[in-house]
Amino acid sequence: SYELTQPPSVSVSPGQTATISCSGHDLDRRYTSWHQQRPGQSPLLVMYHDKRRPSGVPARFSGSNSGNTTTLTIIETQAVDEADYFCQVFENTTAVFGGGTRLTVL
Amino acid sequence: EVRLEESGGGTVQPGGSLRLSCAASGFDFRTYWMHWVRRAPGKGLEWVAHITDDSSRRTYADSVRGRFTISRDNIKNILYLQLNSLRADDTAVYFCARTRDATLDVWGRGTLVSVSS
Repeated sequence: SYELTQPPSVSVSPGQTATISCSGHDLDRRYTSWHQQRPGQSPLLVMYHDKRRPSGVPARFSGSNSGNTTTLTIIETQAVDEADYFCQVFENTTAVFGGGTRLTVL
Repeated sequence: EVRLEESGGGTVQPGGSLRLSCAASGFDFRTYWMHWVRRAPGKGLEWVAHITDDSSRRTYADSVRGRFTISRDNIKNILYLQLNSLRADDTAVYFCARTRDATLDVWGRGTLVSVSS
């Protein structure tokens, strides 16, 4: 089965840039999505098709995909961005999630 | 407003059963593929099951196949997940989600299932 690998945690200072990576075999041949989940809340789609931002998601969020790695970048990180972030692809009709990255805004 | 709202969670003993519901509103439910995803305490998101718009195809995670059944009612706009033979490791918040543009674009708020003796 297909696997996605994320770093367990990333820390960033307020106002700085956070980078969260997601790796998988031939990931550039798949569309990657990113879901944000704040504590006690439901997941929220923040990026899809590698780099498309849903309506309502701040422009501070951007995405890229190259080779075996997809990256979610948050510039000018704010305290409200502190959350778990999950990358996700589809393997046929199965949704495959990365293990998740906890973003801490110190 | 596009909305998904889960219900039916609760505490059940090992071996017990529950039926979860996900009420959809604000969009043409009958034209969308739907999923169930769960998050266990201290763990990440885990995909559980999928159903096509017309219920012609259903797929399951290995961890639930043979115990869980996904279904839908396109008249009532409700997605279901029947959970049988529940185990302690099924304890999680269960979310329903919509598929659009090759992603999961709308999520419900979730319902908690706790399996404990």
